[in-house]
Amino acid sequence: KNQVEQSPQSLIILEGKNCTLQCNYTVSPFSNLRWYKQDTGRGPVSLTIMTFSENTKSNGRYTATLDADTKQSSLHITASQLSDSASYICVVSPWGSGGYNKLIFGAGTRLAVHP
Amino acid sequence: GAGVSQSPRYKVAKRGQDVALRCDPISGHVSLFWYQQALGQGPEFLTYFQNEAQLDKSGLPSDRFFAERPEGSVSTLKIQRTQQEDSAVYLCASSITGTSGNTIYFGEGSWLTVV
Repeated sequence: KNQVEQSPQSLIILEGKNCTLQCNYTVSPFSNLRWYKQDTGRGPVSLTIMTFSENTKSNGRYTATLDADTKQSSLHITASQLSDSASYICVVSPWGSGGYNKLIFGAGTRLAVHP
Repeated sequence: GAGVSQSPRYKVAKRGQDVALRCDPISGHVSLFWYQQALGQGPEFLTYFQNEAQLDKSGLPSDRFFAERPEGSVSTLKIQRTQQEDSAVYLCASSITGTSGNTIYFGEGSWLTVV
């Protein structure tokens, strides 16, 4: 079973609309949870990093939330733009010596923003 | 450099051929990681270097995979006797230190196709 599961697998929205992507994880204990954006054919780019004690982190139009009790995170995108079309990947770092480096990636949510 | 640089960007190898993938991390970054990303999936951990020391190679799928970082900067991932299942994007990433929570920067990836 994948330790980081994301939903939906894919999503289509109209430009200007908001959307929320979900991440459920079983990695425990964990050090931090990250959201990355990956454009087609490019490497992942960091959006947010939250420690286990943080509940929310914003980066421009991106806001990530974390509920460590339910082991859920979400990424909310406000006023979407065409350039937001990409895969959004939830990543969890297990706690422990060296655990930070073994990032555990979800499969991603593929977002398409249409005009 | 300004970012993590990988070469070649694209490589087609005949089955059984050896390949070498190069990674130039961001200057001064102590930590270097290699990840393997299959089509439509999230990246999976291969190996981790702290300076020239390979501290974790638990993700390397077989003894055909070998990575080195002899001078603590440039790293090479070598795959011997390539097989079709080795076809994937190989991502290199670096971070300034090994401290948990640091941003990890990814390169564009080396796309390997084994025919």
